[in-house]
Amino acid sequence: ETGVTQTPRHLVMGMTNKKSLKCEQHLGHNAMYWYKQSAKKPLELMFVYNFKEQTENNSVPSRFSPECPNSSHLFLHLHTLQPEDSALYLCASSQDWGRNYGYTFGSGTRLTVV
Amino acid sequence: SQQGEEDPQALSIQEGENATMNCSYKTSINNLQWYRQNSGRGLVHLILIRSNEREKHSGRLRVTLDTSKKSSSLLITASRAADTASYFCAPHSGGGADGLTFGKGTHLIIQP
Repeated sequence: ETGVTQTPRHLVMGMTNKKSLKCEQHLGHNAMYWYKQSAKKPLELMFVYNFKEQTENNSVPSRFSPECPNSSHLFLHLHTLQPEDSALYLCASSQDWGRNYGYTFGSGTRLTVV
Repeated sequence: SQQGEEDPQALSIQEGENATMNCSYKTSINNLQWYRQNSGRGLVHLILIRSNEREKHSGRLRVTLDTSKKSSSLLITASRAADTASYFCAPHSGGGADGLTFGKGTHLIIQP
């Protein structure tokens, strides 16, 4: 385990469902990130949280809704998704925004939208 | 942060050989980071090289950085089957609060 835990590992949901992805770290990191990795595409940075405050939202559709209640937990709420949203969703955290230390990634949630 | 571009996109070598992959970027950096991703898993941070460093080693990994050419290389010596993975570079610029971005990576296959 890396210290960043993502649950669930796999998720299958219908287009009308509402579900949430969870990410948790107890590394003392102050920044957390959501990435999306689709087949044959580079990782896409979706959201950045620094000290619980969202600092980046890279034009992500509103059907993805992030929540960061504290610096150890990050959620991605999903509703009315499309089949093209099927992907590996990765959470990461960093101690100093990557200035001196790298990011720590979770193992990801494999999402399938049917 | 800016995105790095890895080259080649795919590399297949025999076990025991050395593997070299390259990364280019566009604007000045604070540091450059290399990551590995095994299929379907999260990325693993391998090494971070600062803009004032030219070379860094970690076990069988050797990273070089040429800021004048805006390029970096990752060398894996004495490759093993377990090194089969995708490798990504991530240039870190500015304060970093906008998050690292990644390119398509180099997919390395080590043949037994």
